[in-house]
Amino acid sequence: GQNIDQPTEMTATEGAIVQINCTYQTSGFNGLFWYQQHAGEAPTFLSYNVLDGLEEKGRFSSFLSRSKGYSYLLLKELQMKDSASYLCACMDSNYQLIWGAGTKLIIKP
Amino acid sequence: GAVVSQHPSRVICKSGTSVKIECRSLDFQATTMFWYRQFPKQSLMLMATSNEGSKATYEQGVEKDKFLINHASLTLSTLTVTSAHPEDSSFYICSARDKGWVTEAFFGQGTRLTVV
Repeated sequence: GQNIDQPTEMTATEGAIVQINCTYQTSGFNGLFWYQQHAGEAPTFLSYNVLDGLEEKGRFSSFLSRSKGYSYLLLKELQMKDSASYLCACMDSNYQLIWGAGTKLIIKP
Repeated sequence: GAVVSQHPSRVICKSGTSVKIECRSLDFQATTMFWYRQFPKQSLMLMATSNEGSKATYEQGVEKDKFLINHASLTLSTLTVTSAHPEDSSFYICSARDKGWVTEAFFGQGTRLTVV
């Protein structure tokens, strides 16, 4: 079956770095997405990886290893506004998005 | 980036009534739109996929007669929750995929439905 695993909750300190991991098993693979979702709001796009390696975009970076079925989202210089849920999603061979349950990130001062 | 507008953002209705939610792609043509439901502290659950001009494809366990989806044009899809019950109270989110961009989907703002 298809499955996306990510931690339920993580806590980090303002100004620090946090890495949110995601492992996946899907029928085919057409890329992996990371979305940020604040409570009561719709998800917003953060990153897309389809090739192995690290994609950096400002304070956020995303890494993909297709052979390991593994990705991580790295957040640097954490700010209080980064407190949100982070959703990992894979696109399968039918271009359907398979969603993880999300990781709630709590930032403490 | 592309914009998807969802309306209304919040709605409260009485049990037994119907509610229509609109999802519009404002600056691109969306051949495919997706409707999700999200319960508190849970991830997105895909309800159905709608393609312009054809019937929606519903996920297993989603009642197509209760959740009516219409995708009459390349910029508009609607979800109608018929005979709503309190257990239908949830956060409903649409997303749309640009005709010329197979991968990324853009999300609407979401609709918080409360059935009393």
